[in-house]
Amino acid sequence: DIQMTQSPSSLSASLGDRVTITCRASQDIGNYLTWFQQKPGKSPRRMIYGATNLAAGVPSRFSGSRSGSDYSLTISSLESEDVADYHCLQSIQYPYTFGAGTKLELK
Amino acid sequence: QVQLKESGPGLVQPSQTLSLTCTVAGFSLTSYNVHWVRQPPGKGLEWMGVIWNTGGTRYNSALKSRLSISKDTSKSQVFLKMNSLQTEDTATYYCARAQYTTLAYWGQGTLVTVSS
Repeated sequence: DIQMTQSPSSLSASLGDRVTITCRASQDIGNYLTWFQQKPGKSPRRMIYGATNLAAGVPSRFSGSRSGSDYSLTISSLESEDVADYHCLQSIQYPYTFGAGTKLELK
Repeated sequence: QVQLKESGPGLVQPSQTLSLTCTVAGFSLTSYNVHWVRQPPGKGLEWMGVIWNTGGTRYNSALKSRLSISKDTSKSQVFLKMNSLQTEDTATYYCARAQYTTLAYWGQGTLVTVSS
């Protein structure tokens, strides 16, 4: 199975900060990487798909990038509504596998 | 409008079988794959399995011996059955529709507690 190592597990940042979360894939996953945002009591919401594509309705302060086997989600200027858990998912191979998640909080 | 909604018992006794239904609207099960994902309280997401538009299935190997996914396309319903439930199967269970090989649309989730 492909392992997705997500870091950090938690992150505290201030409003307006630039925030980056990373997932490292244990095997080549091409660009089959999705980022989800999940708020308490809610379902995951797709934010970025294909490693770099912004999903419909997602604010432009969110972006995705890839460097080798490292995939990153960046929030250019943190807003209060961005406080949530973030998960990455590889979907190139079954079983699909998620990262362990990152809890993003306000400092 | 694409919609998915999970339903099933909120409480299951240990060693019993879990049966969940995902009722979909706004698309046909003959055109899209539907996945099941679960999330234990306070923990991360775990992919459980998928039923393809063709009716084929793939399962997480960790659950394969206990899990079955099927569907009734005429009723727009996907079914999950998992036997021999234990307390560690307590989780919110989600169904999700695929698009471009990822999970684009999710149901609201249903919490299943395994307890006597």
